[in-house]
Amino acid sequence: GQNIDQPTEMTATEGAIVQINCTYQTSGFNGLFWYQQHAGEAPTFLSYNVLDGLEEKGRFSSFLSRSKGYSYLLLKELQMKDSASYLCAVSPSGGYNKLIFGAGTRLAVHP
Amino acid sequence: EAQVTQNPRYLITVTGKKLTVTCSQNMNHEYMSWYRQDPGLGLRQIYYSMNVEVTDKGDVPEGYKVSRKEKRNFPLILESPSPNQTSLYFCASRIQGGDEKLFFGSGTQLSVL
Repeated sequence: GQNIDQPTEMTATEGAIVQINCTYQTSGFNGLFWYQQHAGEAPTFLSYNVLDGLEEKGRFSSFLSRSKGYSYLLLKELQMKDSASYLCAVSPSGGYNKLIFGAGTRLAVHP
Repeated sequence: EAQVTQNPRYLITVTGKKLTVTCSQNMNHEYMSWYRQDPGLGLRQIYYSMNVEVTDKGDVPEGYKVSRKEKRNFPLILESPSPNQTSLYFCASRIQGGDEKLFFGSGTQLSVL
């Protein structure tokens, strides 16, 4: 079956660094997305990884290991506005029309 | 402004009363999709459309219908809503290509009593 696992909740302190992990088991793999979703709002795109390694984009970085079925999102210099849910989503093989989402990780940033 | 517009934002209805949630995008995207989001389950795909008159089932299509008569519009139809369809619904679109990001509408919170 298709399965994506993320921690349900995490807390962190303003200014710190936090790593949100995502492991997946899918029927093949095309790529992995991270989306941010503030409470009551729509998800918005953060990053896309298709090759192994780290992709850096400002304060946010995303890492992928295809052989381990593992990704993480790294958030640096945390700000209060980073309090949100972070959704990991995988595009399985032959499934460009489908995206399998994890349940999301709710991150609370405290002063 | 490039956007995906969903209406209504909130909807309360009763079991069996047909309803339609509208979705429109102004980005000339070929691909459109509907998701429902439930606590602890994440986003699940209901239906998607590759282009005009081309639609296909996602993972949870039972109880829903869609149509794609125009490129910009992709309405979600619940012919006979039931309480287990109470959920937060999102419409999304993107250009063709599986490595392209999705643009989401602002969501429709549906309650079926």
